[in-house]
Amino acid sequence: KNEVEQSPQNLTAQEGEFITINCSYSVGISALHWLQQHPGGGIVSLFMLSSGKKKHGRLIATINIQEKHSSLHITASHPRDSAVYICAAPDRGGGSQGNLIFGKGTKLSVKP
Amino acid sequence: KAGVTQTPRYLIKTRGQQVTLSCSPISGHRSVSWYQQTPGQGLQFLFEYFSETQRNKGNFPGRFSGRQFSNSRSEMNVSTLELGDSALYLCASSPSSYEQYFGPGTRLTVT
Repeated sequence: KNEVEQSPQNLTAQEGEFITINCSYSVGISALHWLQQHPGGGIVSLFMLSSGKKKHGRLIATINIQEKHSSLHITASHPRDSAVYICAAPDRGGGSQGNLIFGKGTKLSVKP
Repeated sequence: KAGVTQTPRYLIKTRGQQVTLSCSPISGHRSVSWYQQTPGQGLQFLFEYFSETQRNKGNFPGRFSGRQFSNSRSEMNVSTLELGDSALYLCASSPSSYEQYFGPGTRLTVT
C-alpha cells in the first residue's frame, strides 16, 4: 500500500513569492497527480505527471521517480492561488489508476 | 467536451435514510472512481468501476455501494445513513490511461 506524505501542511506567503510544496510516496508509481481545492469548492486536477517536469502558467510540477518525490512550484504567487494543494498517487504502483491515495494537503494562503 | 457532472450538488438527509448520488463521466471515459472527503480523514477512495464492473474497492462498510451503467454513468448508494457519512463525495472519470478528471462533488449533510 502506497503512503503519500506532503509538506508543509500550512504555508503563508506574501504576494509575489516563489512557493514550493513537496510530496513523497513509498511505492514506485507510474504517475502522480497534483490537485487544487478552493475553500468550499470542488477539486481541480492541475497536473498528472510520470516523469520530468510540466508547466502550466505560473505552476510547475516536477517528479523524480528514483527518489519517489515530487514538487509543485508556484512562481509570482497571487492571493487567488490561496487553496489547498493535494498530491495523489496510485495505491498499487503501476496498477489501476482508479484507486488513488491522497496526501493530507497543503493549505496555502497568499497575502496581498 | 463537457466535464464530469454530479447530481445533486447538495443534499441533506436524516440518520437512517438512504441516498443515491449520480455521476456522469466525460464522454468516452469508461472508468469512474468515487471518493469521500471528510475533515478528519481527508480524501479516501471508495470504489472504481470500469465497463460496468467494480474493479477496485476501498475500505468502507457494505452500506456503501455503487454501480455503473452501460453508458458509463455511475451511481453510488449509501444506506442507513450515519452522521459520520456527512462529507463531500467526488467522482472522477478516466479514459483507460492515467488521467483522472474530477467532478464538482456532492456535499451530503446527515442530520
